[in-house]
Amino acid sequence: AQTVTQSQPEMSVQEAETVTLSCTYDTSENNYYLFWYKQPPSRQMILVIRQEAYKQQNATENRFSVNFQKAAKSFSLKISDSQLGDTAMYFCAFMKRGGSQGNLIFGKGTKLSVKP
Amino acid sequence: KAGVTQTPRYLIKTRGQQVTLSCSPISGHRSVSWYQQTPGQGLQFLFEYFSETQRNKGNFPGRFSGRQFSNSRSEMNVSTLELGDSALYLCASGENYEQYFGPGTRLTVT
Repeated sequence: AQTVTQSQPEMSVQEAETVTLSCTYDTSENNYYLFWYKQPPSRQMILVIRQEAYKQQNATENRFSVNFQKAAKSFSLKISDSQLGDTAMYFCAFMKRGGSQGNLIFGKGTKLSVKP
Repeated sequence: KAGVTQTPRYLIKTRGQQVTLSCSPISGHRSVSWYQQTPGQGLQFLFEYFSETQRNKGNFPGRFSGRQFSNSRSEMNVSTLELGDSALYLCASGENYEQYFGPGTRLTVT
């Protein structure tokens, strides 16, 4: 069975600064996807970024980038130039490649507060 | 494209009742998944449907069931509601190993 662990329940960062959220996972699978989702307060869950395990290159989406370390089973999210709108719960998630595409396994989340 | 929609957005039910939640996926998506989100247990996978067939199921009791229609719309049903079923129920539709979530249905069981 796969597990996803986010060891930082809460974090805060000053506006315009950079913050890194940690995520580790455990799996015996070799082909899988990793995701970061953002859930703003009382708002919809949004897909932030996706990493394919067979790709060495770290995924980047504008101010969001990941540091994917497959051997260490680590998948951290870096948010650059933090904005007030980045305040949200951030969830790291795992999905096995092949077969069902709907079974995301989530970590418990990290609550990020961006302070002015 | 319009996003994933869920109805109703809020629901209050009494223990022992049953409830049906609805989800309309993004146009063209054939995969629909359901998740339960609670403060204690976090986000837990309930089941996934693809082309009207249940493709995967999480570790939930048989009181939780679902179905998918030919237009990919999905419903989930919870029978004999318990207080612990109070949660945010999220629907997601996807393709190409990406899941997009709806706003959720907030179910309160009293």
